[in-house]
Amino acid sequence: AQSVTQPDIHITVSEGASLELRCNYSYGATPYLFWYVQSPGQGLQLLLKYFSGDTLVQGIKGFEAEFKRSQSSFNLRKPSVHWSDAAEYFCAVGRLGGGADGLTFGKGTHLIIQP
Amino acid sequence: SQTIHQWPATLVQPVGSPLSLECTVEGTSNPNLYWYRQAAGRGLQLLFYSVGIGQISSEVPQNLSASRPQDRQFILSSKKLLLSDSGFYLCAWRVGIGTDTQYFGPGTRLTVL
Repeated sequence: AQSVTQPDIHITVSEGASLELRCNYSYGATPYLFWYVQSPGQGLQLLLKYFSGDTLVQGIKGFEAEFKRSQSSFNLRKPSVHWSDAAEYFCAVGRLGGGADGLTFGKGTHLIIQP
Repeated sequence: SQTIHQWPATLVQPVGSPLSLECTVEGTSNPNLYWYRQAAGRGLQLLFYSVGIGQISSEVPQNLSASRPQDRQFILSSKKLLLSDSGFYLCAWRVGIGTDTQYFGPGTRLTVL
């Protein structure tokens, strides 16, 4: 069965500093990988996704993520965070071929931005 | 463009009362639809998914049920709520073969007292 681990429950970063959120997955084949962001009391917004091809994926709001098969990782990065980036971030894995059943999510990382 | 609606946005219900949450999608046809629950301090748990009218698959045994009476309507129900049913309920949709991108609604905050 597939699984996703986000090792950091909380991360605090100063505004303007760089950010890296970790995500490790367990899946027996080539996965589809996603990062979503959730502001307090809101639904989830898709930041970026990886299906195939270039392992460095660009997303919205200046985020990028790199797929590393050898490490089973899909870490999210941003060179300079803004106060508006404070939110909950979820990594998720889906099945190649588009299974009808839903995505498997990590438990999330809560990002706090210090002024 | 496609949009997804959920209502109500917030709900406070007593233990033992019934529940009905509604999700509708606009601007697409024959979507896959999903119900997730997000409990405090936990990730998202898939509850149900549907690939078509009247077709419901349950992921987790519980006192909740789902129905899909129309192509773009997905309903989450309960006959008797439990305290443990409190949480944030998210509906999502997906269209397309070969991708798993899901798009989420704004969610319903349910508090059972």
